[in-house]
Amino acid sequence: DMVLTQSPGTLSLSPGERATLSCRASQSVTSNFLAWYQHKPGQAPRLLIYGASSRATGIPDRFSGSGSGTDFTLTITRLEPEDFAVYYCQQYGSSPLYTFGQGTKVDIK
Amino acid sequence: HLQLQESGPGLVKPSETLSVICSVSPGYLGSLSTYWGWIRQPPGKGLEWIGTVYYSGSAYYNPSLGSRVTISMDTSKSQFSLKLNSVTAADTAIYYCAADQFNPYWFKSWGQGTLVTVS
Repeated sequence: DMVLTQSPGTLSLSPGERATLSCRASQSVTSNFLAWYQHKPGQAPRLLIYGASSRATGIPDRFSGSGSGTDFTLTITRLEPEDFAVYYCQQYGSSPLYTFGQGTKVDIK
Repeated sequence: HLQLQESGPGLVKPSETLSVICSVSPGYLGSLSTYWGWIRQPPGKGLEWIGTVYYSGSAYYNPSLGSRVTISMDTSKSQFSLKLNSVTAADTAIYYCAADQFNPYWFKSWGQGTLVTVS
C-alpha cells in the first residue's frame, strides 16, 4: 500500500517566516497526482495545490508546491496569521486509490 | 457554486449501520465529469479516504473498509449518501463529503463535516 509520510509533525514559526513542509511517498506518485490541503478546526479542508505544483483558484501566491516522484514540498513564503493550520498531502492512483499523509501542524511560535 | 452539507445521526450503536447524507447544491449531482467522495477524520487523527463515486456511476472504496461501505446517489433529492455497516468505536469520526467538478484526482469542494459517535 502507498504511504505518505509528512514532516515535520509540527512546525512552530512566527508570522512573516517561511514554512517548508515535506511529503514523502513510499512509491512513485502516478503522474504527479499529488495535492495539498489546509485544514482548520471546525472547517472544511481547503484545496491549496493540485498536480504537485498548480495553485487552486483563489489561493494566494505565497503558497507553492514542488516535487515529483516520491518527494514533494509545500512552501509558504511569508506566513500570515490565517495560515496557522494543519496541512495534508494526498495522492491518487496507488492502492488505496486515495491516500492522505498524517498531517503537519503549523503553529505560532 | 457547488456547495455540500452533511447530515448524520450523531450517535450510532455498535454493530448497527451508520448513514450520512450529503446535500448538494441543486443541479450539480447529475453533472457530467463530477466526482463525489467521502472522507473521515477520527478524533485526534488525520484524514482517511472512504470511497468515491464517479459521475458514470462507478464506485471505488477503501479496501480497509472491506464490504462494509456503500455510496449511493439520489439525483431527484440532490443528495448522495454513505452507509457503513457493522460499526465499532473505531468508526467514530467526523465524516466529510467532497467533490470535484473536473477530475477524480483531488477534491476541490468540501462540506463542513458531521461528527458521528459509535457508542
